[in-house]
Amino acid sequence: EAGVAQSPRYKIIEKRQSVAFWCNPISGHATLYWYQQILGQGPKLLIQFQNNGVVDDSQLPKDRFSAERLKGVDSTLKIQPAKLEDSAVYLCASSYDPANSPLHFGNGTRLTVT
Amino acid sequence: KQEVTQIPAALSVPEGENLVLNCSFTDSAIYNLQWFRQDPGKGLTSLLLIQSSQREQTSGRLNASLDKSSGRSTLYIAASQPGDSATYLCAVRPMDSNYQLIWGAGTKLIIKP
Repeated sequence: EAGVAQSPRYKIIEKRQSVAFWCNPISGHATLYWYQQILGQGPKLLIQFQNNGVVDDSQLPKDRFSAERLKGVDSTLKIQPAKLEDSAVYLCASSYDPANSPLHFGNGTRLTVT
Repeated sequence: KQEVTQIPAALSVPEGENLVLNCSFTDSAIYNLQWFRQDPGKGLTSLLLIQSSQREQTSGRLNASLDKSSGRSTLYIAASQPGDSATYLCAVRPMDSNYQLIWGAGTKLIIKP
């Protein structure tokens, strides 16, 4: 079974620039998550999709962050404009059953904002 | 509000020892609890998932237990190896959420050869 694919692996941008991350979940997984992880902390949920609908985006800074999951498969997360405090690892995860199945994570995108 | 705590933040033990990692949570109303492993520069790998009705789960040298009444879970690693060095995170899925996970900050484990 292929895992969760994410790209790019690394990205360095200047503040006020924009950036986009891409995620392809495991085939058949209806639930997709985007997390932000600061070094030394647990992941923080940004947005959760069930198929192509948003389940929870309460912690997504909507003035600068946006995410979509067209056709209920791939997803993109965008930041525009980026701030220094957005430097983090952005993790995508998917699961078959949001209540009972484990999460499967991609390797993440490490973003550095200078 | 559910909170998850992992103590200690870091642990170093000699190779071959058995060890226990701890996870505590404040609200026993959970669907399940998961243990994950994270290697430097990598995403998280799911190790074990314990449903609320279960007391423990085993996979190879790993054994995870769950005591909902006391709000505690442990991850037991038998015969530790240098390859077990990683950060271990636990997460609970509360019943009052959209199946979201509440995460601990993790325990960084170093196994010394």
